[in-house]
Amino acid sequence: DAGVIQSPRHEVTEMGQEVTLRCKPISGHNSLFWYRQTMMRGLELLIYFNNNVPIDDSGMPEDRFSAKMPNASFSTLKIQPSEPRDSAVYFCASSLGANPQVYEQYFGPGTRLTVT
Amino acid sequence: QQQVKQSPQSLIVQKGGISIINCAYENTAFDYFPWYQQFPGKGPALLIAIRPDVSEKKEGRFTISFNKSAKQFSLHIMDSQPGDSATYFCAASKGTPLVFGKGTRLSVIA
Repeated sequence: DAGVIQSPRHEVTEMGQEVTLRCKPISGHNSLFWYRQTMMRGLELLIYFNNNVPIDDSGMPEDRFSAKMPNASFSTLKIQPSEPRDSAVYFCASSLGANPQVYEQYFGPGTRLTVT
Repeated sequence: QQQVKQSPQSLIVQKGGISIINCAYENTAFDYFPWYQQFPGKGPALLIAIRPDVSEKKEGRFTISFNKSAKQFSLHIMDSQPGDSATYFCAASKGTPLVFGKGTRLSVIA
């Protein structure tokens, strides 16, 4: 299995531009998680889906962020408009189920976003 | 509000030495405490995990020690090797989601 696939691996954009990050979870996994990693705040959960349905988006920082999962094999995280403080590494993870005690989360390699 | 506090931020250990990373949590409802290992350019990967009904769990050179009364848990890496150089995250949860510490960058030098 190829694992969780994220694209692009690196993104550099100017403030105010729209950014779309993409994720392909492991086939057969029912839960998908978007995390953000920064030096200041560490690893934070932004949103997670179960069976393509958003369950908890309380970690989404503000309305500029949106996430979709149109089918079981694809999810996007969109930032519009982007700001320099959005610069971070964004990880997608997937698992067979949402409860981490029962189902291990597998992380993708991440997308490093730089907003200038 | 940071629910899981991790220390130290960085750690340098000689090859063959013991690496110790500590975490403290606030929410007494947490009932699952995993550690993740992250190599540069990669996503975190589950290393070892413990539930609060035991005080210690060992897997090879990696041991979690858990102190429920103090609300603390720690990762011990015995006989540390240069290949262990990575960032380590503790986490805690009650169901979903996982709450992560800020990470510890470990460097094992020969």
